[in-house]
Amino acid sequence: NAGVMQNPRHLVRRRGQEARLRCSPMKGHSHVYWYRQLPEEGLKFMVYLQKENIIDESGMPKERFSAEFPKEGPSILRIQQVVRGDSAAYFCASSLGQGADQPQHFGDGTRLSIL
Amino acid sequence: AQKVTQAQTEISVVEKEDVTLDCVYETRDTTYYLFWYKQPPSGELVFLIRRNSFDEQNEISGRYSWNFQKSTSSFNFTITASQVVDSAVYFCALNDYKLSFGAGTTVTVRA
Repeated sequence: NAGVMQNPRHLVRRRGQEARLRCSPMKGHSHVYWYRQLPEEGLKFMVYLQKENIIDESGMPKERFSAEFPKEGPSILRIQQVVRGDSAAYFCASSLGQGADQPQHFGDGTRLSIL
Repeated sequence: AQKVTQAQTEISVVEKEDVTLDCVYETRDTTYYLFWYKQPPSGELVFLIRRNSFDEQNEISGRYSWNFQKSTSSFNFTITASQVVDSAVYFCALNDYKLSFGAGTTVTVRA
């Protein structure tokens, strides 16, 4: 499968724990995006990364959330000290280039549930 | 700021009926790209079509067609002869390297 791979598909955490979501982009893609889908808010942009660089994190909550895309390995979205409001589906997408004409191809998402 | 409005929350049709999904957008950019994505009940997001702002030619691809009208800032999407497998949430999105999604329209196709 050469598509965007996200894992885990489902993640359950208790309040106060850490959540790590992983994303491997499509082969040849070096641009990665994270989106969050909340039940009442729809799909919202969180962060845009290229290898080793955060390009735009304007949609990321200022506290507890961080993202990285190292030179080797998958992109990681990390949520520290999770709260009930973090329960959502988190989608990763990748594109071949940066331009607005570039389709973003999405993974299957990670459903995060906070107990 | 980019904004996408999908006024239809839900549409329910019987198989073989046509379904048209409305999308209205706002942008200050003179060049921009519009996309439609589909989210079936299994939850993944599937890229369907892309249209740029300087090409208003409407197209048909299989059972899908789209009507882009720059004058009214609309980018409507039609499924012809709907099938049960078309049941999904459909999102219209505007791209300036990050996607701004509409709220989505839930399409239910009944057998």
